[in-house]
Amino acid sequence: DTGVSQDPRHKITKRGQNVTFRCDPISEHNRLYWYRQTLGQGPEFLTYFQNEAQLEKSRLLSDRFSAERPKGSFSTLEIQRTEQGDSAMYLCASSGDRENYEQYFGPGTRLTVT
Amino acid sequence: AQSVSQHNHHVILSEAASLELGCNYSYGGTVNLFWYVQYPGQHLQLLLKYFSGDPLVKGIKGFEAEFIKSKFSFNLRKPSVQWSDTAEYFCAVTAYYGNNRLAFGKGNQVVVIP
Repeated sequence: DTGVSQDPRHKITKRGQNVTFRCDPISEHNRLYWYRQTLGQGPEFLTYFQNEAQLEKSRLLSDRFSAERPKGSFSTLEIQRTEQGDSAMYLCASSGDRENYEQYFGPGTRLTVT
Repeated sequence: AQSVSQHNHHVILSEAASLELGCNYSYGGTVNLFWYVQYPGQHLQLLLKYFSGDPLVKGIKGFEAEFIKSKFSFNLRKPSVQWSDTAEYFCAVTAYYGNNRLAFGKGNQVVVIP
């Protein structure tokens, strides 16, 4: 399979717990993006990596959120001390290392915080 | 920062009817424009894109979109819809220069009745 994969697909957690999501981009893609989508809204940008470097973070990404992309391959998004407002679909996308390359999206991880 | 407006969030059509979804963006510089589609239970997929050249772009499944720079618009059209076009449609924009992070509209939920 050459698409973007995400794991887990669904996560239910209690408020205050930490969660970590994983994204495996298309293998030759250098750029990796995280977005968050809540009900009735389009995806909102969270953060962007080019290879292993995190080059931009949205103001949506509070101190409780951290993302990494070790070795420029897969990426993880961790949320510490989850809150009910963190409930959303977390989407990962990847693209080639040139401007104008389209982004390919994974299936997302749906987080529910109870 | 870029922003995108989509109107008529819920659209119900009969098969063979024509579809037009409006998209307006707010950004002073050169942009790349996209329409993404999300079929029920599936992940976001690119429907079509505009980078430069002919402002009338054709995508998959008979969809087309027209970029009108003076109106900051990128409306999506299909002359005759099918039941399988039932999906959520998102307009998105990136700045021509930059990290290519997508700014999405809120989406249009389209239901095609057989």
